[in-house]
Amino acid sequence: TQLLEQSPQFLSIQEGENLTVYCNSSSVFSSLQWYRQEPGEGPVLLVTVVTGGEVKKLKRLTFQFGDARKDSSLHITAAQPGDTGLYLCAGAEDNFNKFYFGSGTKLNVKP
Amino acid sequence: ETGVTQTPRHLVMGMTNKKSLKCEQHLGHNAMYWYKQSAKKPLELMFVYNFKEQTENNSVPSRFSPECPNSSHLFLHLHTLQPEDSALYLCASSQDGGGQPYEQYFGPGTRLTVT
Repeated sequence: TQLLEQSPQFLSIQEGENLTVYCNSSSVFSSLQWYRQEPGEGPVLLVTVVTGGEVKKLKRLTFQFGDARKDSSLHITAAQPGDTGLYLCAGAEDNFNKFYFGSGTKLNVKP
Repeated sequence: ETGVTQTPRHLVMGMTNKKSLKCEQHLGHNAMYWYKQSAKKPLELMFVYNFKEQTENNSVPSRFSPECPNSSHLFLHLHTLQPEDSALYLCASSQDGGGQPYEQYFGPGTRLTVT
């Protein structure tokens, strides 16, 4: 059974602070996605990382895929209240469109 | 309409009712999914359809019955549900194959309450 663990589960910070969310597994994935979900809505795809060691930036968000393609991190610089939400990582197996989701990190950014 | 749409957005049903959830994707994808999202639990994959064929049934009780008449539409038929089936039901789609990484696009979900 593939298992993706996210940490921390909850994070409450002040506007302007930096934070990092981690997504770890003992399994290798062909790609890994990060999503943000707001209450009552579906997850929205933020980024897909494919290559081990890959780093992608989306404005103040920096995503990194581990060298061994087993883990990933999401770093937010100068967090804003609009960043509040549930952050989910999901790993996809080679040649299969089956996704394994982490349990999520609930982020609250206070003004 | 763009992306993935789901109807209804909210549904309250009794344990003896029969209802259906509908999902439609406007992205030209060839794979569709049903997920269940309960409080404090990771997203649970329920069913996967590739080119209208069911390729995954993740040990889902028979009171949930999926239907995929074409690659753009997906239904989840519900009957004799239990209160613990109350959850957010999410539909997603992706493009299978072609050498590209799989990326799922989600609908807004149906918030189901079983009374």
